[in-house]
Amino acid sequence: DQQVKQNSPSLSVQEGRISILNCDYTNSMFDYFLWYKKYPAEGPTFLISISSIKDKNEDGRFTVFLNKSAKHLSLHIVPSQPGDSAVYFCAARDDTGNQFYFGTGTSLTVIP
Amino acid sequence: EPEVTQTPSHQVTQMGQEVILRCVPISNHLYFYWYRQILGQKVEFLVSFYNNEISEKSEIFDDQFSVERPDGSNFTLKIRSTKLEDSAMYFCASRRETGRGTPLHFGNGTRLTVT
Repeated sequence: DQQVKQNSPSLSVQEGRISILNCDYTNSMFDYFLWYKKYPAEGPTFLISISSIKDKNEDGRFTVFLNKSAKHLSLHIVPSQPGDSAVYFCAARDDTGNQFYFGTGTSLTVIP
Repeated sequence: EPEVTQTPSHQVTQMGQEVILRCVPISNHLYFYWYRQILGQKVEFLVSFYNNEISEKSEIFDDQFSVERPDGSNFTLKIRSTKLEDSAMYFCASRRETGRGTPLHFGNGTRLTVT
């Protein structure tokens, strides 16, 4: 049962442009959402998070938007840089347990 | 910056053998996790551990799996009799405390290959 979905397996963006990565979820009990970045041969690295009481959180070039009614969140990277090329995982946690649920990832390629 | 460390980085074992994957979580973290990622698939939850006991486990975490925190620093995942389908990247993660604003911090993983 895929509770967190990333429907785009890959995305290519020109350097300097905006990258938009999308994520959908099904569990209305999720109250904390995260984005992780993963390079090959490394573990996922925490990037940015958002609580369900907010609809936007910004950290430098990275902004996460949450639309609870649509059960959708997105990660915006502006401007995109070649070093941003990695696999990005969306994750979510509900307040009934300790488990974090991950999407299948989107591979971002930023073209110089 | 403190890191979660995992050893070995790559483990090759024969089907039916026991393996132990080792992790040293970040020192002031209280919650510990194992996740795995089969090639090309999603990152899957296996188990969470708090206060010296399992707090939650998934369907994947059957009787062949066990976790232990043998001392104040190590956190291990044991697979008693490995199967071919256990081949995956295994990630250890830790979290400082409960509550909404505490993300998981992952190690670099152990690639387990069962032949």
